[in-house]
Amino acid sequence: EDQVTQSPEALRLQEGESSSLNCSYTVSGLRGLFWYRQDPGKGPEFLFTLYSAGEEKEKERLKATLTKKESFLHITAPKPEDSATYLCAVNSGNTPLVFGKGTRLSVIA
Amino acid sequence: NAGVTQTPKFRVLKTGQSMTLLCAQDMNHEYMYWYRQDPGMGLRLIHYSVGEGTTAKGEVPDGYNVSRLKKQNFLLGLESAAPSQTSVYFCASSRTGTGVEAFFGQGTRLTVV
Repeated sequence: EDQVTQSPEALRLQEGESSSLNCSYTVSGLRGLFWYRQDPGKGPEFLFTLYSAGEEKEKERLKATLTKKESFLHITAPKPEDSATYLCAVNSGNTPLVFGKGTRLSVIA
Repeated sequence: NAGVTQTPKFRVLKTGQSMTLLCAQDMNHEYMYWYRQDPGMGLRLIHYSVGEGTTAKGEVPDGYNVSRLKKQNFLLGLESAAPSQTSVYFCASSRTGTGVEAFFGQGTRLTVV
């Protein structure tokens, strides 16, 4: 059974204070690891897909990396508008996405 | 481009009432999904569909039924609502079932009293 664990549950940063969010996963045959952003009252918004260990993807202040057991979402010099819940999900075979519980990020000006 | 649209956005039901949530996608995706999101529980899969006329159970299917009569629509039904079904429901769709991202609707906030 695919499992995803995200840490920390909540993270509070000062504007400009870089940090990382962790996503640990257990899956038989990874077909993709996905990062989403979710704002309050809205649906998850797709950010990145990673397919194999060593892969990295970047978008503005966000960079996602992948190892064989975990993924990190690095946030460089965050701004208040980066405040959101970040969700990690995995896909194996034809099994629909299995999500972690998310990390709630608050960036304070 | 509307993407994934859910109807309604909010609803209050009394225990025992029934209702149907509608999801429509305009991306010609084969796969569609219904998730529920509860505080501290994350997104949990209720049912999904791999194509028109097909459905399958997810992690938490009890108390729900689904139908996919048209490729672009996926309906979630509650036959006899219970307070435990108070939640935010999200519909999603994807081009295939493997290795591609899913796109989500804006959600339906359902309260059962």
